[in-house]
Amino acid sequence: AQSVTQLDSHVSVSEGTPVLLRCNYSSSYSPSLFWYVQHPNKGLQLLLKYTSAATLVKGINGFEAEFKKSETSFHLTKPSAHMSDAAEYFCVVSEGSSASKIIFGSGTRLSIRP
Amino acid sequence: DAGVIQSPRHEVTEMGQEVTLRCKPISGHNSLFWYRQTMMRGLELLIYFNNNVPIDDSGMPEDRFSAKMPNASFSTLKIQPSEPRDSAVYFCASSFEGSPDYGYTFGSGTRLTVV
Repeated sequence: AQSVTQLDSHVSVSEGTPVLLRCNYSSSYSPSLFWYVQHPNKGLQLLLKYTSAATLVKGINGFEAEFKKSETSFHLTKPSAHMSDAAEYFCVVSEGSSASKIIFGSGTRLSIRP
Repeated sequence: DAGVIQSPRHEVTEMGQEVTLRCKPISGHNSLFWYRQTMMRGLELLIYFNNNVPIDDSGMPEDRFSAKMPNASFSTLKIQPSEPRDSAVYFCASSFEGSPDYGYTFGSGTRLTVV
């Protein structure tokens, strides 16, 4: 069975400092992994995805994530936070190549201090 | 492409009334998902369709909820009768299953308030 754990429910960083949002997964098969962002009162937007190609995945708005099989992790990072990054971030796992069964993490709320 | 289109954006209704939420997926996508998001339970998958056929509706809370997909470009989620505990944001998402480059595209959601 697959599962995904976002280790922090809330992360607060200062503007201009690095961002790290942690995600660990469990999967019986080769997983596909995604990060989505949800700004207040908005829908979910795909940030980036890993589907068994390069382990370091670059996404939109300067975010990237690294797939580490040995650590079963897919942490999201950004070198320098911007005020507009304040949002809820969801890590998502899907097994195999099927889009049918996906599991959402509980979300991490990112706050940016001026 | 205009993305996944949901309507209405906001719905306020009285308990006991019927509510119908609508979704137009991205053209060419063959899978459609309905999610519910609340503070207490986060994102919950209610039902998903593949090629217009309901594949898994195990997330539908009870018989008051029903979903249809009469064609590849339209789906509805109906709640009858509605209850205050149904208040949530309902998201529709679509994807192309079977593609190695798939991803889920979400609509902007329908915020439902049942009073």
